[in-house]
Amino acid sequence: DVKVTQSSRYLVKRTGEKVFLECVQDMDHENMFWYRQDPGLGLRLIYFSYDVKMKEKGDIPEGYSVSREKKERFSLILESASTNQTSMYLCASRLNRLEKLFFGSGTQLSVL
Amino acid sequence: TQLLEQSPQFLSIQEGENLTVYCNSSSVFSSLQWYRQEPGEGPVLLVTVVTGGEVKKLKRLTFQFGDARKDSSLHITAAQPGDTGLYLCAGAHSGGSNYKLTFGKGTLLTVNP
Repeated sequence: DVKVTQSSRYLVKRTGEKVFLECVQDMDHENMFWYRQDPGLGLRLIYFSYDVKMKEKGDIPEGYSVSREKKERFSLILESASTNQTSMYLCASRLNRLEKLFFGSGTQLSVL
Repeated sequence: TQLLEQSPQFLSIQEGENLTVYCNSSSVFSSLQWYRQEPGEGPVLLVTVVTGGEVKKLKRLTFQFGDARKDSSLHITAAQPGDTGLYLCAGAHSGGSNYKLTFGKGTLLTVNP
């Protein structure tokens, strides 16, 4: 089975800190995604990557950046965390654009 | 941004009842996926529908894609407590940058024993 692993289940950070969320998949998938999930707003796409070193902005990229230096790893970076970035962050991957998404279990980030 | 509207937002029913949730858009999608998400976990794919008018069955769950590929429904027969969860529909765009999926906000289903 495909495994998408997010480095932390829960994370508490202070306003202004630089935050790294890591995601690793073990099935040589081309595409990787970062979503945030908020009550009443559903899943919103932050960034995605369709191949190594390639990235595209999703619907809400402001305040975030990403890095994909290796195929299996996709990192989400909050350059200066703010309280409105408190959310559940979900990483997903898929083999290619015709295939289904596999999600990690999520990272619940609280910015105080 | 192409929107997917899901209804109802919340649904609480008794075990054994039937239910239908809806996913509607004004846009055409090349395919539509349904996911279920349980508390503390990421969404898991239930089904993908591709052809207008397509009907797929997964045990007690029946999925239908609208003829115009703008809407979809999920019907559950004789719901069980194990069906409790957040049901999400997601549409894949045709043409252009078709890497992205657009997600609806979800239907939170609670099945009471």
